[in-house]
Amino acid sequence: DQQVKQNSPSLSVQEGRISILNCDYTNSMFDYFLWYKKYPAEGPTFLISISSIKDKNEDGRFTVFLNKSAKHLSLHIVPSQPGDSAVYFCAARAGNNRKLIWGLGTSLAVNP
Amino acid sequence: DGGITQSPKYLFRKEGQNVTLSCEQNLNHDAMYWYRQDPGQGLRLIYYSQIVNDFQKGDIAEGYSVSREKKESFPLTVTSAQKNPTAFYLCASSYIGLAEDSSYNEQFFGPGTRLTVL
Repeated sequence: DQQVKQNSPSLSVQEGRISILNCDYTNSMFDYFLWYKKYPAEGPTFLISISSIKDKNEDGRFTVFLNKSAKHLSLHIVPSQPGDSAVYFCAARAGNNRKLIWGLGTSLAVNP
Repeated sequence: DGGITQSPKYLFRKEGQNVTLSCEQNLNHDAMYWYRQDPGQGLRLIYYSQIVNDFQKGDIAEGYSVSREKKESFPLTVTSAQKNPTAFYLCASSYIGLAEDSSYNEQFFGPGTRLTVL
């Protein structure tokens, strides 16, 4: 049973436009959410995170929005660049539990 | 330079042989993790350890074993009991503090080891 769901396996956007990656979760105990970016044959790299006490966190071109009532978060990348082409994973954790629960990832392709 | 190293990058083994994947970190992180990634799938947790000489099974521990004799090292052994060992294996580490700051919560990943069992 997937507690963290990324329902879009892939997304294609034009360079310069906005990329919106979505993530839904089912466990109301989750209180911290992270986005990771992964290139093929490499380890994921941390991108941005958000605590459940916030509804938005911004870091440069990357913004994560959290809607607790809908159990939904999204990652916005604007403007999108070809170098953003990668697989993006959403992950969540609950309280003191260090274990992250991962989504299956969304493959983003940014076309020049 | 702090980081996580995994070696080797590519590993080939014959079916029926045990193989040990190396993971070392010099980030002074308390917790270490092993994940497996298969094509089209997310990351699945094999084992994790929050302190030396202690570790817990993840979601897919069967056919794997680990040890945590040193804070810096968390080797993973893929045994012959693992039915589908060919995969991309990722090691990660993190602090186990409770601060809200994101750097305390994120897991840092190594470059991965691609294991192919022939």
